Amino acid sequence: DGGITQSPKYLFRKEGQNVTLSCEQNLNHDAMYWYRQDPGQGLRLIYYSQIVNDFQKGDIAEGYSVSREKKESFPLTVTSAQKNPTAFYLCASSFSGVTYEQYFGPGTRLTVT
Amino acid sequence: EDKVVQSPLSLVVHEGDTVTLNCSYEVTNFRSLLWYKQEKKAPTFLFMLTSSGIEKKSGRLSSILDKKELFSILNITATQTGDSAIYLCAVEDGPGGGADGLTFGKGTHLIIQP
Repeated sequence: DGGITQSPKYLFRKEGQNVTLSCEQNLNHDAMYWYRQDPGQGLRLIYYSQIVNDFQKGDIAEGYSVSREKKESFPLTVTSAQKNPTAFYLCASSFSGVTYEQYFGPGTRLTVT
Repeated sequence: EDKVVQSPLSLVVHEGDTVTLNCSYEVTNFRSLLWYKQEKKAPTFLFMLTSSGIEKKSGRLSSILDKKELFSILNITATQTGDSAIYLCAVEDGPGGGADGLTFGKGTHLIIQP
């Protein structure tokens, strides 16, 4: 059963703590993406990766870090440097060069207090 | 400044009405424009448009792109309560050959009242 999974669904953290959001896909996709969605906003690109061990900053990368050690996994760390971390985070994947056909995970809602 | 602008931001209509959602864009190296439907969590892909004037249709939904005027519309006819969702427009731009991510508009929150 192919798909893209994110965990956890809901995450609560205290201000000043780093937190890592998981994203796994078994679709054999080369490219993976992280987006952030705030109320009344569209999705904004945080980081993306086209191949293993390589990733690029998106439009709002400050305060975030990623790794791509395996093709199937693209975890996102929200660091304490991110000023407004509370948001809904969506992970997506696609075949390289087929950006339009992105498959999205169910999302993680992060609340930082 | 916004590269992808959707309007209206919210819309409430009655079941059976026809709605038109708008998306204008301004990017350097346009490759495609995409429409997504987001109900609760993850957006689902609706249409990809690359050429002007060619209508894409799927059931009661249709969409068209105008590359000269830099906009697209998404039409939904005979709306149903199940059409209630946020409709996202996204643009793929860049030199091509790689997966660079998409630039999304803020979305149109469509509510269909019975």
